[in-house]
Amino acid sequence: GEDVEQSLFLSVREGDSSVINCTYTDSSSTYLYWYKQEPGAGLQLLTYIFSNMDMKQDQRLTVLLNKKDKHLSLRIADTQTGDSAIYFCAESIKAAGNKLTFGGGTRVLVKP
Amino acid sequence: IAGITQAPTSQILAAGRRMTLRCTQDMRHNAMYWYRQDLGLGLRLIHYSNTAGTTGKGEVPDGYSVSRANTDDFPLTLASAVPSQTSVYFCASSDRDSTDTQYFGPGTRLTVL
Repeated sequence: GEDVEQSLFLSVREGDSSVINCTYTDSSSTYLYWYKQEPGAGLQLLTYIFSNMDMKQDQRLTVLLNKKDKHLSLRIADTQTGDSAIYFCAESIKAAGNKLTFGGGTRVLVKP
Repeated sequence: IAGITQAPTSQILAAGRRMTLRCTQDMRHNAMYWYRQDLGLGLRLIHYSNTAGTTGKGEVPDGYSVSRANTDDFPLTLASAVPSQTSVYFCASSDRDSTDTQYFGPGTRLTVL
């Protein structure tokens, strides 16, 4: 079955690193994604990682994937107040027609 | 290029009324999706369409219907709205390329009283 879980809330000081964690249950996922949602807005794709990769880095963002433990994380370096938002991880599974299954979202609050 | 547009932005609706949420994309994406977002539940797929002329049921399809007469438009209809359909509704589209990245519209906030 498909189940994606995230912690609800993360508080971090400006300038520190943030790490948002996600676990999933379906080992046949093909891609895993991180989306950002700012208040009153839609979801914005931040980054994605193919399931046969361990790590992907894109400027301040680092995605780590542990397939054995079915664990995905997003690290944001030098967190800024503009990074305050809800972050969703999602997986797509080719056998399910590449439909996305989302986690419940992690609300990140960056304190000055 | 507008990407994906949704209308209306928000709506308050009496229970029992019929309502159609509109979604239009100008990226010529093959696939389109409707999700609802509820607090603590993330996004749940209502219906999807892999290509014009086809539709499929998602995780929570009851009470909703869709049509896909052309590539650009994917309206979502609530035939007889109920209070449990109070939610924020997001439309998305994807190119069905290798990454199958989905791009989201700004959302419609619907309140059913």
